[in-house]
Amino acid sequence: DAKTTQPPSMDCAEGRAANLPCNHSTISGNEYVYWYRQIHSQGPQYIIHGLKNNETNEMASLIITEDRKSSTLILPHATLRDTAVYYCIVTGPRGAGSYQLTFGKGTKLSVIP
Amino acid sequence: EAQVTQNPRYLITVTGKKLTVTCSQNMNHEYMSWYRQDPGLGLRQIYYSMNVEVTDKGDVPEGYKVSRKEKRNFPLILESPSPNQTSLYFCASSLRLASSTDTQYFGPGTRLTVL
Repeated sequence: DAKTTQPPSMDCAEGRAANLPCNHSTISGNEYVYWYRQIHSQGPQYIIHGLKNNETNEMASLIITEDRKSSTLILPHATLRDTAVYYCIVTGPRGAGSYQLTFGKGTKLSVIP
Repeated sequence: EAQVTQNPRYLITVTGKKLTVTCSQNMNHEYMSWYRQDPGLGLRQIYYSMNVEVTDKGDVPEGYKVSRKEKRNFPLILESPSPNQTSLYFCASSLRLASSTDTQYFGPGTRLTVL
């Protein structure tokens, strides 16, 4: 799987958009970009994923650059409950069609009142 | 309610005493997985299972066993726990994790301390 690079921490003011970057310069053509988050020591929670096109759901938007070497997760109106560690994961099939998720250290997002 | 459950949530044990952490999902998912999380190391996959009776090693399988006799259950077995297995453990499942619509659902975690 392609390696990802994320800043270790970021701050965001409550109500503002949080933009979390991720570099994945070695991504290959069949690999997806996934974002998960982990609030305190709870189980990680899926946020969004994409292959080439930008994606949006009720939680966030995912912007993937045209060359697919980087992406940005956008939380449009951050709240205090969005304070968490955010993981960017790039993964593709690994034998018999299964995908693996390899979690790095992520970005600790702190939403400040 | 669709969920992944783990038991126990907290466990303190001693070196060498066999233990099992259970994991169960009610979503008819084919793919199940175990992770451990340690400070500064993120989540690391221990074992995964693509379906009943099909299991394979993840990145840190040493000291662990798993079984998948039924689709809904995927227990993690520590035959002879050691202090370096003190960690926070997560079970996860997904429909197949082989298509663009599959995501992993995680359990609440089991905090294990081996003395």
